[in-house]
Amino acid sequence: AQSVAQPEDQVNVAEGNPLTVKCTYSVSGNPYLFWYVQYPNRGLQFLLKYITGDNLVKGSYGFEAEFNKSQTSFHLKKPSALVSDSALYFCAVKDTNAGKSTFGDGTTLTVKP
Amino acid sequence: GAVVSQHPSRVICKSGTSVKIECRSLDFQATTMFWYRQFPKQSLMLMATSNEGSKATYEQGVEKDKFLINHASLTLSTLTVTSAHPEDSSFYICSAQGEPGELFFGEGSRLTVL
Repeated sequence: AQSVAQPEDQVNVAEGNPLTVKCTYSVSGNPYLFWYVQYPNRGLQFLLKYITGDNLVKGSYGFEAEFNKSQTSFHLKKPSALVSDSALYFCAVKDTNAGKSTFGDGTTLTVKP
Repeated sequence: GAVVSQHPSRVICKSGTSVKIECRSLDFQATTMFWYRQFPKQSLMLMATSNEGSKATYEQGVEKDKFLINHASLTLSTLTVTSAHPEDSSFYICSAQGEPGELFFGEGSRLTVL
């Protein structure tokens, strides 16, 4: 079985400040981990993924995420937030042996000027 | 990344009618596609897994006869909401699965049933 938790429904940060959106996961095997972003009334867009290799993964729009196996976490980060980063963020996990990904409930990020 | 086209983006229909939503992968062949329903409070609910050339696999609680899924080719999956009712009004999203599990999403379809 696989599961994902995004403990925060909402994250608020000021523009220019660093941001973190949290994600923890549970899988029985090895995980593939993903972050997606959704703007209002749109589909989801891929941001980044961890498959193997370096624990720090860099993705689109200046986002990065760190895979931490001991803490089973894959937090999304950005050093300096932009107002345009305001959106809904989903973390997803797929066990290497699973046929489908499991999504977290999403975290709404609001960046204020 | 790969492009997935979903159509229509918005549809309004009368109660009791059927509505078809198409999901096309434009630049790669997708053996597996997924259909989701998204509720206003943001969560994404997986409805079914669509496999090319075989029957869809529905998640628990999703009515197979109400939400008909067809995946007749490697680039097209369709979701038909049959005998739609106001409670079926929602945002429906499709995705196509690449390797090793990355998903490419359509833009979503907003269904309003009057």
